Amino acid sequence: SQQGEEDPQALSIQEGENATMNCSYKTSINNLQWYRQNSGRGLVHLILIRSNEREKHSGRLRVTLDTSKKSSSLLITASRAADTASYFCATATGFQKLVFGTGTRLLVSP
Amino acid sequence: DTGVSQNPRHKITKRGQNVTFRCDPISEHNRLYWYRQTLGQGPEFLTYFQNEAQLEKSRLLSDRFSAERPKGSFSTLEIQRTEQGDSAMYLCASSPYSGSGHEQFFGPGTRLTVL
Repeated sequence: SQQGEEDPQALSIQEGENATMNCSYKTSINNLQWYRQNSGRGLVHLILIRSNEREKHSGRLRVTLDTSKKSSSLLITASRAADTASYFCATATGFQKLVFGTGTRLLVSP
Repeated sequence: DTGVSQNPRHKITKRGQNVTFRCDPISEHNRLYWYRQTLGQGPEFLTYFQNEAQLEKSRLLSDRFSAERPKGSFSTLEIQRTEQGDSAMYLCASSPYSGSGHEQFFGPGTRLTVL
């Protein structure tokens, strides 16, 4: 079963714009991770934020985590056509198995 | 290429047949995971190994599914008496041991189609 949901389910923007995706989850976690999946390619890890962290940056990515609301957001700044993909949040508990959300499909048009 | 590899990449089989998939993790990773992903959904956890020990199995893993990691290196996932509902992408991932959590490195997946 899925841990939670991403919002929106689909997002369409122009190159150069920012994209924000939200993730909600249901249980206590050790960490939350974001992954990208392009059509025809596997899942690629983007960023990991631990339960005691509130914000993390990596290049054009900014992730926030609010454990009181059981939610996270992923911001991609200055988007590029190559950012077109599905983005999944995944929560880790116990032995670090990942429980994925339902994903946000991002389309970045040139 | 030192990433996670999976074979075969595609498998088409008839209902009732048995299939076996192989996963070769990154060599120094002692944790190995299997997930299943259906169209439009996120991956769902199936099972997890630490070295050769299978430590957790999802309720999704019915009696027809079995996974092994005999020497703590590669792993196999077997599905017996396949059903059309087994059609999905089967993903393998590996990670090093880390008490504080670590990213998982995914293979390209094996796409199973059951006719």
